[in-house]
Amino acid sequence: GAGVSQTPSNKVTEKGKYVELRCDPISGHTALYWYRQSLGQGPEFLIYFQGTGAADDSGLPNDRFFAVRPEGSVSTLKIQRTERGDSAVYLCASSLQGAGETQYFGPGTRLLVL
Amino acid sequence: GENVEQHPSTLSVQEGDSAVIKCTYSDSASNYFPWYKQELGKRPQLIIDIRSNVGEKKDQRIAVTLNKTAKHFSLHITETQPEDSAVYFCAAKRGTYKYIFGTGTRLKVLA
Repeated sequence: GAGVSQTPSNKVTEKGKYVELRCDPISGHTALYWYRQSLGQGPEFLIYFQGTGAADDSGLPNDRFFAVRPEGSVSTLKIQRTERGDSAVYLCASSLQGAGETQYFGPGTRLLVL
Repeated sequence: GENVEQHPSTLSVQEGDSAVIKCTYSDSASNYFPWYKQELGKRPQLIIDIRSNVGEKKDQRIAVTLNKTAKHFSLHITETQPEDSAVYFCAAKRGTYKYIFGTGTRLKVLA
């Protein structure tokens, strides 16, 4: 079946603008994760959803970052007042359920803030 | 806090030789340890994993070992091939969902 998809694949924006990044998990996967990957680094945990609720958003760097998953499937990561330091690849992953299940990653959205 | 250290950061081996990548974790409550392969511009792909109640797992040319006492685990790739060239990430899962990733190892297999 289809894997995790993310749109857009690339996003270039100007400092101060608002961006939305979308993740479509594998159908039926209740667990969804957002990660941020900077150049030369491993994925850094941002937020975890189980169903519609954000079970853990402790990785969001500040209140400019917000994520939603209103129907328990598609998720949107929203970044307000973007800063150059937000430039990174944003990865989404899903798993059948949170506990002990393999994560499947999407291709990521490469965000560049000028 | 939670931390996963990964070494080496880069590794070059001749085709056919073995490659070993090591990770150390800090949280003794970690219970699941996956390894991911990431090719340039691509998504991380799970290649092998091990749970905390197992000491070793093998899948063809790839094996992972876990030493819970020392809190470290290693990836072993034998008979390396040029297509094994990629960045490899280890991760440790704490509880039911929290994954902490290592900083990655860039493996280059020289033909």
